[in-house]
Amino acid sequence: SYELTQPPSVSVSPGQMARITCSGDALPKKYAYWYQQKSGQAPVLVIYEDSKRPSGIPERFSGSSSGTMATLTISGAQVEDEADYYCYSTDSSGNHRVFGGGTKLTVL
Amino acid sequence: QVQLVQSGAEVKKPGASVKVSCKASGYTFTSYGISWVRQAPGQGLEWMGWISAYNGNTDYAQNLQGRVTMTADSSTTTAYMELRSLRSDDTAVYYCARDFADDLDYWGQGTLVTVSS
Repeated sequence: SYELTQPPSVSVSPGQMARITCSGDALPKKYAYWYQQKSGQAPVLVIYEDSKRPSGIPERFSGSSSGTMATLTISGAQVEDEADYYCYSTDSSGNHRVFGGGTKLTVL
Repeated sequence: QVQLVQSGAEVKKPGASVKVSCKASGYTFTSYGISWVRQAPGQGLEWMGWISAYNGNTDYAQNLQGRVTMTADSSTTTAYMELRSLRSDDTAVYYCARDFADDLDYWGQGTLVTVSS
């Protein structure tokens, strides 16, 4: 079955840049989406179609994709950005959707 | 504004079934699909499947095929997810999300389903 691989954790100091990666064989052909989930809350879409930012999401959130890796970048991470982040995409057939295992971002 | 409001928490015994509802408002229901995602305690997100609110077409995750059924009622703008033959490892928070071309842009608040004897 198709898998998306993320690092379990990333830690940065406030104001630093945080990068969270997501690797998958189909990413050269399929979009990546990124979700932020704070403790006890429903996920929130922060990046769609690799690099687009929904309205209301701060400009410090950006996304990119190259080859088999998609990257979520938080420029100048804030304490309030502490959360679990999940990438999401489909396999090459488009029939099987999957989330990455999630990355816990710590900002302190 | 777009809202997805889910039904309340459930406690079920192993082997039973559960049906979770997701009431949509603030958009044209039949122009989008609904995906269902679950999250076991302390674990990551798992995509369960998708239903088109336009024509009822479905696509289920392979590991749930045969146990899950998703339906959508356009007259009440409500989507449903039924999971049968419940096991303890089905204990999770179940979310519905508005789905357009793989984009899950709005989510319900989640429904906790506990499976315990």
